[in-house]
Amino acid sequence: EAQVTQNPRYLITVTGKKLTVTCSQNMNHEYMSWYRQDPGLGLRQIYYSMNVEVTDKGDVPEGYKVSRKEKRNFPLILESPSPNQTSLYFCASSSSGAVGIYGYTFGSGTRLTVV
Amino acid sequence: GQQLNQSPQSMFIQEGEDVSMNCTSSSIFNTWLWYKQEPGEGPVLLIALYKAGELTSNGRLTAQFGITRKDSFLNISASIPSDVGIYFCAGRGSQGNLIFGKGTKLSVKP
Repeated sequence: EAQVTQNPRYLITVTGKKLTVTCSQNMNHEYMSWYRQDPGLGLRQIYYSMNVEVTDKGDVPEGYKVSRKEKRNFPLILESPSPNQTSLYFCASSSSGAVGIYGYTFGSGTRLTVV
Repeated sequence: GQQLNQSPQSMFIQEGEDVSMNCTSSSIFNTWLWYKQEPGEGPVLLIALYKAGELTSNGRLTAQFGITRKDSFLNISASIPSDVGIYFCAGRGSQGNLIFGKGTKLSVKP
């Protein structure tokens, strides 16, 4: 089944303790992206990657890191999490074509709480 | 950066009613997408639009790509309880990434 898999689904952590949220897709997609969703703010892009070893900042990159060493994986790293990073996180992937991006396929989300 | 204004923010309607929501932008987009998010899940693509003026249907859903390329609307006809969720518009930005509206939360009373 074609899908984007995020882990973990739920995570509670303490301020300053490094964590990684994994994301993997099995559709051979070039584009991958991370979003955070907060009430009243919609989906805001953190980082995106257009292909292996190519990453770029989205609208809210501060406090986050990403890497794209393999096409299928795009982990999100919080080196020193803070309470304002408590949010619902989504990973998404997409193929590109002659008419552009066909639309992202989203993972099921990771609910992160930083205390 | 590029932004999308989505309205209304929320809607409370009676089952059977039609629904209309829209997105506008000060920037031109070459692709407009509409997503639905149900509780506890990620957004799922409903309709994709690639040409100005394009009108596309998916069952009871109809979406249009505005002729100016700065707006799009989504209509849902004869709403049912399972239409409940948050609907997002998205436009493809100049960097190839997707920019999302803040969502329209739809509630349907049986």
